[in-house]
Amino acid sequence: KAGVTQTPRYLIKTRGQQVTLSCSPISGHRSVSWYQQTPGQGLQFLFEYFSETQRNKGNFPGRFSGRQFSNSRSEMNVSTLELGDSALYLCASRLGGDTGELFFGEGSRLTVL
Amino acid sequence: AQKVTQAQTEISVVEKEDVTLDCVYETRDTTYYLFWYKQPPSGELVFLIRRNSFDEQNEISGRYSWNFQKSTSSFNFTITASQVVDSAVYFCALSEAGAGSYQLTFGKGTKLSVIP
Repeated sequence: KAGVTQTPRYLIKTRGQQVTLSCSPISGHRSVSWYQQTPGQGLQFLFEYFSETQRNKGNFPGRFSGRQFSNSRSEMNVSTLELGDSALYLCASRLGGDTGELFFGEGSRLTVL
Repeated sequence: AQKVTQAQTEISVVEKEDVTLDCVYETRDTTYYLFWYKQPPSGELVFLIRRNSFDEQNEISGRYSWNFQKSTSSFNFTITASQVVDSAVYFCALSEAGAGSYQLTFGKGTKLSVIP
């Protein structure tokens, strides 16, 4: 069974640009969450999507957005990049509901210059 | 607000030693879930265990064991007879249940180095 797949794995952008990251969940999983990991702040929740609807959002500015498609694949977008957006962005999927294990991908490492 | 504290930033042990990683949590909910994840250098968070707040039974899985004590709000993780492959960063996390949403609050992590 394929795991959570994130693309691209590495990318470099400059300040002011925007970036789109993609996540393909485990087959059959309907919930996708995104987390940001930085050395200073650690792992922080960005948002969760279930059946194309955003269920929950973390404490991030509006420059961070996401969406989920009908096949459960998800994208997140960061506009007007800042140096502080440099991080590992992790996607996780689960079956859905209030239970279930959360499985993570290997992440997309974003560097903003 | 919920909070997870992993007081140990880094631990080094010699192979075959036992090691315990501490986790203390704060939450106002009576129903919640606790997790442990392992993050090897590749970056992927590997799920180790999930425990709900109503199940205080300790759990053992091979060389891994977990001690959940609601009285002290702790969910500690012990590796017995550590191996070099156990070297990684370990995260404890908390999720409050309800509304069909899963938002994990992570601790800062404990970096474990197992020296051969």
